[in-house]
Amino acid sequence: DSGVTQTPKHLITATGQRVTLRCSPRSGDLSVYWYQQSLDQGLQFLIQYYNGEERAKGNILERFSAQQFPDLHSELNLSSLELGDSALYFCASSGQGATPYEQYFGPGTRLTVT
Amino acid sequence: DQQVKQNSPSLSVQEGRISILNCDYTNSMFDYFLWYKKYPAEGPTFLISISSIKDKNEDGRFTVFLNKSAKHLSLHIVPSQPGDSAVYFCALTSSNTGKLIFGQGTTLQVKP
Repeated sequence: DSGVTQTPKHLITATGQRVTLRCSPRSGDLSVYWYQQSLDQGLQFLIQYYNGEERAKGNILERFSAQQFPDLHSELNLSSLELGDSALYFCASSGQGATPYEQYFGPGTRLTVT
Repeated sequence: DQQVKQNSPSLSVQEGRISILNCDYTNSMFDYFLWYKKYPAEGPTFLISISSIKDKNEDGRFTVFLNKSAKHLSLHIVPSQPGDSAVYFCALTSSNTGKLIFGQGTTLQVKP
């Protein structure tokens, strides 16, 4: 158990809809990262938040957005969903100290768009 | 543009023998290197890491080697156990960005 929690575990929705994925980082971790794993693309970085502020952005679509709240949990919002958005979405967190680059992953949310 | 490559999609070894997983990268900006293990339907689990100032880091049965001149990273597991069967990803980052760049993964099968 990494200490990172994600809900829901599975999500099935239709094209054009909007969903919200939730992540709670490990206790004390200020950084939250979102990754997408699809069959043909592997694990791809989407976005990073640090203590409530956006820190880095990857190949995140404009239809996707995220935020990190004062209690440090994060939400990833996916809108106008397309079939190609079906994937596993992982959240990871990292802390300060000697190993700030080690990221600990949650169990993921499997999104299926039909 | 694939910055990180794991050229072997799969590897099969006998229990008790050594497993060697390889990872090549193209960009010298990376200065922190990690290995993750992943089971189906679970998130990646952090295994071991190494910074660019070292060439070897050991943790129990797992050793990571870094050859900066060759831009090559390897993970040695010895002795291999059936429970090690999983997909292994190398992941690289640089100190000025927190994001991890992952390889495509190598599926390791350890046969009893």
